[in-house]
Amino acid sequence: EAEVAQSPRYKITEKSQAVAFWCDPISGHATLYWYRQILGQGPELLVQFQDESVVDDSQLPKDRFSAERLKGVDSTLKIQPAELGDSAMYLCASSVQVNTEAFFGQGTRLTVV
Amino acid sequence: GQQVMQIPQYQHVQEGEDFTTYCNSSTTLSNIQWYKQRPGGHPVFLIQLVKSGEVKKQKRLTFQFGEAKKNSSLHITATQTTDVGTYFCAVGGGADGLTFGKGTHLIIQP
Repeated sequence: EAEVAQSPRYKITEKSQAVAFWCDPISGHATLYWYRQILGQGPELLVQFQDESVVDDSQLPKDRFSAERLKGVDSTLKIQPAELGDSAMYLCASSVQVNTEAFFGQGTRLTVV
Repeated sequence: GQQVMQIPQYQHVQEGEDFTTYCNSSTTLSNIQWYKQRPGGHPVFLIQLVKSGEVKKQKRLTFQFGEAKKNSSLHITATQTTDVGTYFCAVGGGADGLTFGKGTHLIIQP
């Protein structure tokens, strides 16, 4: 069964360092999402892509976060510099198109020390 | 993007009791999705509702979309320990982005 792949699964980084997460969506899925989820809370949308274009990045802290999906397939989310408050689970999801079922990856758990 | 309020935040039930979570919006929704997240897991899609007044059932789960398409509910009949987790509604997904509610944590006491 096709899955959304994310790496790494776990990342520990020091504050002020740069960190990057990678996501490979299910083949053929045009829509890709990055979410941040703090323990006990709902996923917070950071950025949504349709193919290689950004659909919504209104909640992305653009002074330190960046996301790209250059060829409309896999995607990278970067944080520079990382802050203690960035510690969270970062989830990637994909769907065939907007307004269809989203499939989530296992996530990357980030700890900033 | 669109915002949704989800209540209650936590629900404790005895095994075998029913459970309901509600999702409310101040604006008309084009559709609404429901997801379940088990402890330590990632959200898993349950269902999507599109039509006004729509009711869909999956075994012990019943999903409703309000007539005005501003609210939705998920009802579980006779809860089992496998139902433990957090239930989220999600709206948008188009130009506004797919936005999740804060979720309802279902805790089941045997």
